[in-house]
Amino acid sequence: NAGVTQTPKFQVLKTGQSMTLQCAQDMNHEYMSWYRQDPGMGLRLIHYSVGAGITDQGEVPNGYNVSRSTTEDFPLRLLSAAPSQTSVYFCASSYSPGNTDTQYFGPGTRLTVL
Amino acid sequence: GQNIDQPTEMTATEGAIVQINCTYQTSGFNGLFWYQQHAGEAPTFLSYNVLDGLEEKGRFSSFLSRSKGYSYLLLKELQMKDSASYLCAVRGVNQAGTALIFGKGTTLSVSS
Repeated sequence: NAGVTQTPKFQVLKTGQSMTLQCAQDMNHEYMSWYRQDPGMGLRLIHYSVGAGITDQGEVPNGYNVSRSTTEDFPLRLLSAAPSQTSVYFCASSYSPGNTDTQYFGPGTRLTVL
Repeated sequence: GQNIDQPTEMTATEGAIVQINCTYQTSGFNGLFWYQQHAGEAPTFLSYNVLDGLEEKGRFSSFLSRSKGYSYLLLKELQMKDSASYLCAVRGVNQAGTALIFGKGTTLSVSS
């Protein structure tokens, strides 16, 4: 199993550009989520999905879109990049959002918006 | 509101014992997690508590008191490789359903 994979590992964008951060998992997990991690801020939830075709907003969803057309993939789209979106983005998955279920994190995408 | 507090930084020496505290105030409670994160890497799962008491896993133990909104992670026989950030996370009930709410993390530096 590859676990949770993310591409790209690094990305530099100019303000106003759009892009998609890719996330895939091969563990047949129902629950997938996107976090951003900023210095001194901890991990903050952007969007999450409890299954194919179902997505919802987290704490900081503005400026981001998601879709879940398959169980395996959960891409995060930046519509018009802003410097405030410079961050490290982590995708995570778990079998279900149940109480005892552990989330597994991907290696992260380091995004810089100039 | 939702709030999770943990110390920003801690230092310790090899072979010692260190306790990292976490206090929380969340809407609902469905378990508390501890994650370890080395610099430049993804968080990895360490422990999970949902009932009061101590959970032991090798050199690491985690304690929970739900009535006090308090947990700690205890690391014994510290090694240099334990230098990392330790994240406390609570599975609460908020606008994101039952998603994890993370504290800002405690950076532990272990010296020889």
